[in-house]
Amino acid sequence: SQTIHQWPATLVQPVGSPLSLECTVEGTSNPNLYWYRQAAGRGLQLLFYSVGIGQISSEVPQNLSASRPQDRQFILSSKKLLLSDSGFYLCASKGGFNEKLFFGSGTQLSVL
Amino acid sequence: AQKITQTQPGMFVQEKEAVTLDCTYDTSDPSYGLFWYKQPSSGEMIFLIYQGSYDQQNATEGRYSLNFQKARKSANLVISASQLGDSAMYFCAMMPAGNEKLTFGTGTRLTIIP
Repeated sequence: SQTIHQWPATLVQPVGSPLSLECTVEGTSNPNLYWYRQAAGRGLQLLFYSVGIGQISSEVPQNLSASRPQDRQFILSSKKLLLSDSGFYLCASKGGFNEKLFFGSGTQLSVL
Repeated sequence: AQKITQTQPGMFVQEKEAVTLDCTYDTSDPSYGLFWYKQPSSGEMIFLIYQGSYDQQNATEGRYSLNFQKARKSANLVISASQLGDSAMYFCAMMPAGNEKLTFGTGTRLTIIP
């Protein structure tokens, strides 16, 4: 099965600072990769997904961006963080249509 | 667009009782997959069960079963013989065929009472 490595586990950043969250996948090739955000006590909001290297689909207009420089690497970035960017960020990986999503352990981001 | 509705924000259930978590969905796609995930306080997302829209039988995985009623667009999760470790957030999700986006509901917080 797949293993999703996501770091850091927690991050505290000042408003206006840059962000880079990295996610790497083991145990599969050419997966679909996803970034979700979860506000406290809320559901998961899909931010970006990628079906291949360099292919990024954005779901929600925001000051975040995503990149996929390698097959099993997915990066979430921001040039200037906003207070509203605070939340729990989850990276996920999936194979075929009816295959489940494997999730990383998440990053709790607090923007102060 | 797909929509997942979980109408129970929170539930309290006595240990060893069965519990049903509700999920309804809305899609115009004829083929889709339905998923349930568990999120304990640690934050990790744990896959529980999957149901395909063309599966003839309801999915089961140990103590978890999915009560799939296609005509009603309902995919309720049933947990039998609940345990204290079942206390967590539970999310229903759907992915139409040919669409790589997995859409989640808002979740149900389940608390098992000893």
